[in-house]
Amino acid sequence: DAGVTQSPTHLIKTRGQHVTLRCSPISGHKSVSWYQQVLGQGPQFIFQYYEKEERGRGNFPDRFSARQFPNYSSELNVNALLLGDSALYLCASSFWSGIGYGYTFGSGTRLTVV
Amino acid sequence: DAKTTQPNSMESNEEEPVHLPCNHSTISGTDYIHWYRQLPSQGPEYVIHGLTSNVNNRMASLAIAEDRKSSTLILHRATLRDAAVYYCILSEKGNTPLVFGKGTRLSVIA
Repeated sequence: DAGVTQSPTHLIKTRGQHVTLRCSPISGHKSVSWYQQVLGQGPQFIFQYYEKEERGRGNFPDRFSARQFPNYSSELNVNALLLGDSALYLCASSFWSGIGYGYTFGSGTRLTVV
Repeated sequence: DAKTTQPNSMESNEEEPVHLPCNHSTISGTDYIHWYRQLPSQGPEYVIHGLTSNVNNRMASLAIAEDRKSSTLILHRATLRDAAVYYCILSEKGNTPLVFGKGTRLSVIA
């Protein structure tokens, strides 16, 4: 089975631009979460979607938005990019292990804002 | 905010066991203990998780203290490929987001 796939793998944008990042969860996984990881820090939660509905949102500005499609893939959108948005953006899909949920992460999209 | 405390870094010799500690004194009865690791230039990788009893899988073992206020991730024979940042995370039973701290950076020496 393919793992969580994210595209693109790397991206360079200019301040003020908009970006769309894409994620395909593992087949059968209905929940997708997005995380931001800046250099030297652990990942920070941005959004969680389950069955196309937003189930949680982290402490990020309204410039960040996301959606989940009927096939459970997801997009993360960031408007009016700032230099501080430069980070690794991670997508994860969740699975039930029998003793709680576990998460499978993609390799991420490295976004550089210049 | 992360509710766990881990050492910033640890070092191990190759092919020796590694015990990675985690303190979580404010754990609630419904919190699961998760361990993830992140290799350079990759996303976090699920290692193991448990609730009350010790857990074993092909990657590692999780030893949970009787009062659940601490746990230890055990790598039975460290290899160079185990060099990574290891995160100990508490998460409720439901499909709730993970809250990452800074983790423990494990170095493995050949």
